[in-house]
Amino acid sequence: KAGVTQTPRYLIKTRGQQVTLSCSPISGHRSVSWYQQTPGQGLQFLFEYFSETQRNKGNFPGRFSGRQFSNSRSEMNVSTLELGDSALYLCASSPQLAGVHTQYFGPGTRLTVL
Amino acid sequence: AQRVTQPEKLLSVFKGAPVELKCNYSYSGSPELFWYVQYSRQRLQLLLRHISRESIKGFTADLNKGETSFHLKKPFAQEEDSAMYYCALSGTAGGTSYGKLTFGQGTILTVHP
Repeated sequence: KAGVTQTPRYLIKTRGQQVTLSCSPISGHRSVSWYQQTPGQGLQFLFEYFSETQRNKGNFPGRFSGRQFSNSRSEMNVSTLELGDSALYLCASSPQLAGVHTQYFGPGTRLTVL
Repeated sequence: AQRVTQPEKLLSVFKGAPVELKCNYSYSGSPELFWYVQYSRQRLQLLLRHISRESIKGFTADLNKGETSFHLKKPFAQEEDSAMYYCALSGTAGGTSYGKLTFGQGTILTVHP
């Protein structure tokens, strides 16, 4: 099976702009989670979507939002970008049926805010 | 609240030496613990998970609920083990894990020849 893919891989934006990142999960996986990775804060959970519904949410401001489509693909959006939003954004997918499931990570989108 | 602590940011050993990467957690319910690894220029990938009780690439980890620890061990380190290692925790409900992982800050392991 193809792995988790994320597009674009790199983005440069300026403060105040908005950005949309895309994630395609492994075929058959219904759960998509998003994480922000920075040198200072490490890996932090943003939110999880399952069957087009947000199921879990981390401690990020409302400027960070996401959605999931019927084919399980997911997008996250960051509005009114701030310098501190510069980070590697990772998405991960899992089948999320019963039991404990591993999350499989994509390569990430590197966002730079100038 | 759930928390994962990896006390060592950097760990250096020589090839063939034993290695132990420490992980402590805090969670009020029944957690599932994982170790993820990130090799240079590669994506984050699962190394092992507690529920599987398996040994991957010679690494093992034992969940100690009394000490709330999940340390990663390998008896003989290899140069190819050099990487960033993350300990992660997932809460569970009714035996099913949530789609949220809480990560430790990571430990950079360097294995010298």
